Amino acid sequence: NAGVTQTPKFQVLKTGQSMTLQCAQDMNHEYMSWYRQDPGMGLRLIHYSVGAGITDQGEVPNGYNVSRSTTEDFPLRLLSAAPSQTSVYFCASSENRGQGQPQHFGDGTRLSIL
Amino acid sequence: RKEVEQDPGPFNVPEGATVAFNCTYSNSASQSFFWYRQDCRKEPKLLMSVYSSGNEDGRFTAQLNRASQYISLLIRDSKLSDSATYLCVVKLNSGNTPLVFGKGTRLSVIA
Repeated sequence: NAGVTQTPKFQVLKTGQSMTLQCAQDMNHEYMSWYRQDPGMGLRLIHYSVGAGITDQGEVPNGYNVSRSTTEDFPLRLLSAAPSQTSVYFCASSENRGQGQPQHFGDGTRLSIL
Repeated sequence: RKEVEQDPGPFNVPEGATVAFNCTYSNSASQSFFWYRQDCRKEPKLLMSVYSSGNEDGRFTAQLNRASQYISLLIRDSKLSDSATYLCVVKLNSGNTPLVFGKGTRLSVIA
């Protein structure tokens, strides 16, 4: 049981490049989310999904797209990378029973935009 | 006012000390509360949920005060391995609202 798996673990991009951060979970969780974490800013929610085919914006969605075609996968796409998107990105999942289930996090993707 | 506020610290305490963190939340409709632990350059991990009546897990005790809208985490007999950042997390139970994370309180336990 792998839990939440993120790939890649590290990535360096040039400004203007696009890329997709992958996130997969094998716990059959309905709820998945993407956060970015910057020094002094804490975890900020980018996008989240409450089930296959349903996504919604979080606190800082600009510059990112998501889709949820399956329960297991929730990729995050950077459309045109900017230095301001240099950050550590965490994917998380949880059961979604409306009771406030805790989230399980992947071990992060460290992204640098030059 | 921010939704979830924590003192960023750092709290520097000697081994064996007792240390307590508070966290305040702004939305009185918040229903679920958690403490997460995050080690340097690692992902956050659930430490414990916080129940209305308070709850204990070994050396860790969590309390909820709904009237004053804060939760607390008490760590007794601190160990070097307790050094980490502790994140306060709050959720409204109304539908599919996401968790709201505090920025964390950094704890350093010193030998």
